[in-house]
Amino acid sequence: QSALTQPASVSGSPGQSITISCTGTSSDVGTYNLVSWYQQHPGKAPKLMIYEGTKRPSGVSNRFSGSRSDNTASLTISGLQAEDEADYYCCSYAVSGSYVVFGGGTNLTVL
Amino acid sequence: QVQLQESGPGLVKPSETLALTCTVSGGSISSHYWSWIRQPPGKGLEWIGYIYDIGSTNYNPSLKSRVTISVDTSKNQFSLKLSSVTAADTAVYYCTRDTSGYGNAFDIWGQGTMVTVSS
Repeated sequence: QSALTQPASVSGSPGQSITISCTGTSSDVGTYNLVSWYQQHPGKAPKLMIYEGTKRPSGVSNRFSGSRSDNTASLTISGLQAEDEADYYCCSYAVSGSYVVFGGGTNLTVL
Repeated sequence: QVQLQESGPGLVKPSETLALTCTVSGGSISSHYWSWIRQPPGKGLEWIGYIYDIGSTNYNPSLKSRVTISVDTSKNQFSLKLSSVTAADTAVYYCTRDTSGYGNAFDIWGQGTMVTVSS
């Protein structure tokens, strides 16, 4: 199976909003809204930020939001803060084969 | 709250079998999906597979021929075995819990354990 496609890097200034895209196929991202997003700081385990496309776990800031259009899911971070600088990974359930696939990751730099 | 802890050898020889265990504390292993995920140094995340319903499994198609995930409910542990390892299997290995029931909402992660494949 192929990994989901994410931009290698994005950047933004404090207070701005950024969006990270995650492109898959009709067999994964495009079938059900089951995309999850993870934040990973260097040397740390990833942290769940969004699941089932748009849901935020308890404790995750409402500055993080998820959406989907056709085969592309997106993570939007509003009001950028220095602590948001990290790697972000998308993840989808693939219905054809019942497996899980990750994106390649996006490095977010807060300027 | 539920916590996960990986354990196992940090060094495995090429062609041998990598074996890791994840101990679940603070909750029962008898529900949820439990996954193994790995991350080679400097690279992205790769899902290895999951176990659910105390014995049902699903694996990454690219690793399926070499992977076995099992559960020991008496010890509240689940395990990973990866056979015929090569240097490409060198990675940090994480055990995780899925919160959604669909298998890809990993809300709890172990700290990760580095496994190096080398002679």
